[in-house]
Amino acid sequence: DARVTQTPRHKVTEMGQEVTMRCQPILGHNTVFWYRQTMMQGLELLAYFRNRAPLDDSGMPKDRFSAEMPDATLATLKIQPSEPRDSAVYFCASGRGVGELFFGEGSRLTVL
Amino acid sequence: KNEVEQSPQNLTAQEGEFITINCSYSVGISALHWLQQHPGGGIVSLFMLSSGKKKHGRLIATINIQEKHSSLHITASHPRDSAVYICAVSDSGGGADGLTFGKGTHLIIQP
Repeated sequence: DARVTQTPRHKVTEMGQEVTMRCQPILGHNTVFWYRQTMMQGLELLAYFRNRAPLDDSGMPKDRFSAEMPDATLATLKIQPSEPRDSAVYFCASGRGVGELFFGEGSRLTVL
Repeated sequence: KNEVEQSPQNLTAQEGEFITINCSYSVGISALHWLQQHPGGGIVSLFMLSSGKKKHGRLIATINIQEKHSSLHITASHPRDSAVYICAVSDSGGGADGLTFGKGTHLIIQP
């Protein structure tokens, strides 16, 4: 049963700490997205990759966020240093070309 | 940038009722997605469509490209349909490029 896998599912950390979230896209999918969901803003695109190349990261605060895809089976989203306003649920999604998107279960981040 | 509006924001209905959720967008799109999110849960893609109508079980999605409008219908609603339904559009040449999301419709179906 192919699915997008995200880790960790939950993370509580203190302000200033580094946070790394990981995503394993569905095998064969060539497009990977990072989205953030908050009560106030809803779902927002942070970054996306096609064939591991970053295509758009304009939604991401560049000073503290970074997204990478070291290989086709792993995408990472890093926040350093974290701030309380980064508290949100971070979703990874993968797709193939013009097809349907498949979302992971999300990583719920709380920054104290 | 596309503006995606959904209505209603909140909807409470009785089991068995026919449900309609609406989505409108401001700029021409290549595809529109309907997503479902249960409380505390992940997001599931229900439909991706670029024209006409699609049906899956008790769910029906329609889109009118000229009017920039889509509807999601649920027939014979059930408490397990309670969830947030999110409309999202793709502006560029493909269904999987940088989606713009609506704020979601919070649906509660009471037994």
